[in-house]
Amino acid sequence: DAGVIQSPRHEVTEMGQEVTLRCKPISGHNSLFWYRQTMMRGLELLIYFNNNVPIDDSGMPEDRFSAKMPNASFSTLKIQPSEPRDSAVYFCASSFDIYEQYFGPGTRLTVT
Amino acid sequence: GQSLEQPSEVTAVEGAIVQINCTYQTSGFYGLSWYQQHDGGAPTFLSYNALDGLEETGRFSSFLSRSDSYGYLLLQELQMKDSASYFCAVPLSGGYQKVTFGIGTKLQVIP
Repeated sequence: DAGVIQSPRHEVTEMGQEVTLRCKPISGHNSLFWYRQTMMRGLELLIYFNNNVPIDDSGMPEDRFSAKMPNASFSTLKIQPSEPRDSAVYFCASSFDIYEQYFGPGTRLTVT
Repeated sequence: GQSLEQPSEVTAVEGAIVQINCTYQTSGFYGLSWYQQHDGGAPTFLSYNALDGLEETGRFSSFLSRSDSYGYLLLQELQMKDSASYFCAVPLSGGYQKVTFGIGTKLQVIP
């Protein structure tokens, strides 16, 4: 298996632009998670899906952030408009049980 | 709610043994997981304890005491490549596989 796939790996954009991050979970996994990691705040859960349905989006910072999972093999996290404080590494992870999550390589986002 | 506490940094000598502790407060306990993350990399799963006791996987072992709400990760025969951040994590009550991660312990292995 190829593992969790994320794209792009790096994204540099200007403040105010729209950013879309993409994730392909491991086939057969029924849960998908979006995390944000910064030095100051550590690893934060933004939103997670179970069987393609958003279960908890309480970690989404504000309305500028949105996430979708149109099918079992694809999810997007969108930031519109982006701000410098959104600069972080964004991880997607998937799982099929409660004790082990498989993380993608992450997208390093820089908003200038 | 859920909270986890672990030391922010630990330094140990190559070849030695190091223990990284984690205490947790959670409603509805399902187990304690450990993840490793190298600088610039993604977290990777190391171990999971659902029951009290010690679980051994090669040079790494993980321990859990549910009565004390405490666990630790034990790394033996430290190697330079073990320098990384180590996170404890607990699944949250309510199912759906949601997990809370600790802040991470940055382990530096020195020669």
